[in-house]
Amino acid sequence: AQKVTQAQTEISVVEKEDVTLDCVYETRDTTYYLFWYKQPPSGELVFLIRRNSFDEQNEISGRYSWNFQKSTSSFNFTITASQVVDSAVYFCALSESPGANNLFFGTGTRLTVIP
Amino acid sequence: DAGITQSPRYKITETGRQVTLMCHQTWSHSYMFWYRQDLGHGLRLIYYSAAADITDKGEVPDGYVVSRSKTENFPLTLESATRSQTSVYFCAIGGTGSGYTFGSGTRLTVV
Repeated sequence: AQKVTQAQTEISVVEKEDVTLDCVYETRDTTYYLFWYKQPPSGELVFLIRRNSFDEQNEISGRYSWNFQKSTSSFNFTITASQVVDSAVYFCALSESPGANNLFFGTGTRLTVIP
Repeated sequence: DAGITQSPRYKITETGRQVTLMCHQTWSHSYMFWYRQDLGHGLRLIYYSAAADITDKGEVPDGYVVSRSKTENFPLTLESATRSQTSVYFCAIGGTGSGYTFGSGTRLTVV
C-alpha cells in the first residue's frame, strides 16, 4: 500500500537558517511520481516540484533544493537561507502510476520562520 | 484566468441539510478531483472523475455524491451534512503528466 510520512509536524527556524523537511514514502510500484506543495497562511496549495521515479537527480531552484533517494525512499526538501515568506505548511505527495491517479498526501510540516 | 474556480469560499450549514460545493475549470482537463483537508490527516481524496459521466470513489467517499455532466464542472454534494464533514474542501484538475492544480478551497462548517 502507498503511504507518505512527514514525521516533522512543526519546525521553527530563525531567518537565514537552512532547514530540511523530510519525506519518506512507501509504494510497490516501480513507476511513481513525488510532489511537494506549499500551503501559505492564505490557504491555497502551491505546486513546487514533481519528480518521477526514474529521475534521481537532485534539483535546485533558487533557495529550494530537493534530494531524492530511492534507496531510502526519501524525497527531502531543503530551504537555504530561510525567509519569513517561507512560513507555511509543506506537503509531500505520491502518485503511483502515470496518468491521473490519486495523490496521496503526507500530513504536512508546518514551518515557521522567525524574523 | 484562474483555470479552476471553487464556490463558495465559505459556507456554514446545519446538520442534516444538503449542500453542494461547486468546481469549475476552464482548461478542459479530463481528470478532476475532490479532496478534504483535516488537521492531522493532510489531504484525502473523496471522489475523482476521469471524464464527463465517469466518476469513482476515493479514500473517504461516504456521505458524499458527485456528478459530472459537463467536462468543466464537478460538483460535490453532501446529502445530509454531519459535523464530521466540517473541513476545507479542495477541487483539483490535472494528473501526473501535467501536474495537479488546486482550487482555492471551500471552508465548510456544519453546525
